Amino acid sequence: SQQGEEDPQALSIQEGENATMNCSYKTSINNLQWYRQNSGRGLVHLILIRSNEREKHSGRLRVTLDTSKKSSSLLITASRAADTASYFCATDAIIAQKLVFGQGTRLTINP
Amino acid sequence: DGGITQSPKYLFRKEGQNVTLSCEQNLNHDAMYWYRQDPGQGLRLIYYSQIVNDFQKGDIAEGYSVSREKKESFPLTVTSAQKNPTAFYLCASSIVQGSYGYTFGSGTRLTVV
Repeated sequence: SQQGEEDPQALSIQEGENATMNCSYKTSINNLQWYRQNSGRGLVHLILIRSNEREKHSGRLRVTLDTSKKSSSLLITASRAADTASYFCATDAIIAQKLVFGQGTRLTINP
Repeated sequence: DGGITQSPKYLFRKEGQNVTLSCEQNLNHDAMYWYRQDPGQGLRLIYYSQIVNDFQKGDIAEGYSVSREKKESFPLTVTSAQKNPTAFYLCASSIVQGSYGYTFGSGTRLTVV
């Protein structure tokens, strides 16, 4: 059961530019989380935003959540080559006991 | 340092064989999870466990089995009934109460030969 859908599936930008990824979901949630995965590695937790929050920041990351539209966005500012990775959103649905992950956005930062 | 360890990193399985993937955590997390990831795809939940001696099926449990005899350990067996087992397997753990992120292991890549 796919809860989160990321858009775009792939994104390629120049170093120093901002990268924006979007996530849409279907059911009511407790929170939404973003993860990063470098090629062939496990996922790393980036940020969690609760359903009663609208925006959250962590370093160069900015996450927004619009529960009325059931959508979230992840903004990475001043991108670096090391930001090249796949980014996944995951939803903690109210009726569920586990996270459900989207398909991911593959981000490439060109030097 | 606390963390979650998966072994082996690479595993090769012959047709008809059962293989077991190890997952151990020293984070004192109650909940543990197994996900499968196919190339270019997202994660699909195989099994999860919130307490010792209890576990639930995820979305793709057929052909897999698990046990949770210790809080620290959640091994996954890929049985011969799993017809397409070649994939990247990820184990994760989390605190159950409250809103927290998951901690992931580094994964096991299983290939059928």
